[in-house]
Amino acid sequence: RKEVEQDPGPFNVPEGATVAFNCTYSNSASQSFFWYRQDCRKEPKLLMSVYSSGNEDGRFTAQLNRASQYISLLIRDSKLSDSATYLCVVNTGRRALTFGSGTRLQVQP
Amino acid sequence: GAVVSQHPSWVICKSGTSVKIECRSLDFQATTMFWYRQFPKQSLMLMATSNEGSKATYEQGVEKDKFLINHASLTLSTLTVTSAHPEDSSFYICSARDLGIADTQYFGPGTRLTVL
Repeated sequence: RKEVEQDPGPFNVPEGATVAFNCTYSNSASQSFFWYRQDCRKEPKLLMSVYSSGNEDGRFTAQLNRASQYISLLIRDSKLSDSATYLCVVNTGRRALTFGSGTRLQVQP
Repeated sequence: GAVVSQHPSWVICKSGTSVKIECRSLDFQATTMFWYRQFPKQSLMLMATSNEGSKATYEQGVEKDKFLINHASLTLSTLTVTSAHPEDSSFYICSARDLGIADTQYFGPGTRLTVL
């Protein structure tokens, strides 16, 4: 079983749509959680950290459920510029990050 | 935010040659840097952890004699792919951990290696 599993995607949505990505992790000792965004042929960039209480940054909302070992990302009012691959990332305490395989989002006009 | 640079951004080489990739933290010191590899349509896979002043820690299945890592200073780590083969063609990305922000890692822009 992979340490971090994500929806396979791709997600094709119209502009303005709300889209949700899910992620599960296997290591219950995982300490911190993130969503990264990766554009084609570019390095990953931190989108937001994920906290147990849930957190929001503009149109983006992240949730963490430690009991279920589940992380989610909600994007409201999708923009064309949101098209990218979204990576669920977990820090298991080894200091290196463990990446999910990513979910590709394509927002269409 | 913190900046990490990589050089070169892309390289094409012949099979059997060695290629050195540099990773630098530009405005912070990083005792730990990480080297990842990403094949097309796959996620980033950790290759090794580079520790300043000591030997790198390699992930299972990564040959330490093939992927030489040197972390000679708090701002520079190098990855040398020795005797490169076509199957080593990949996107190599480094990241550096900011001591001031425990769980934040900053990624370099990546190096695209193509071995002919």
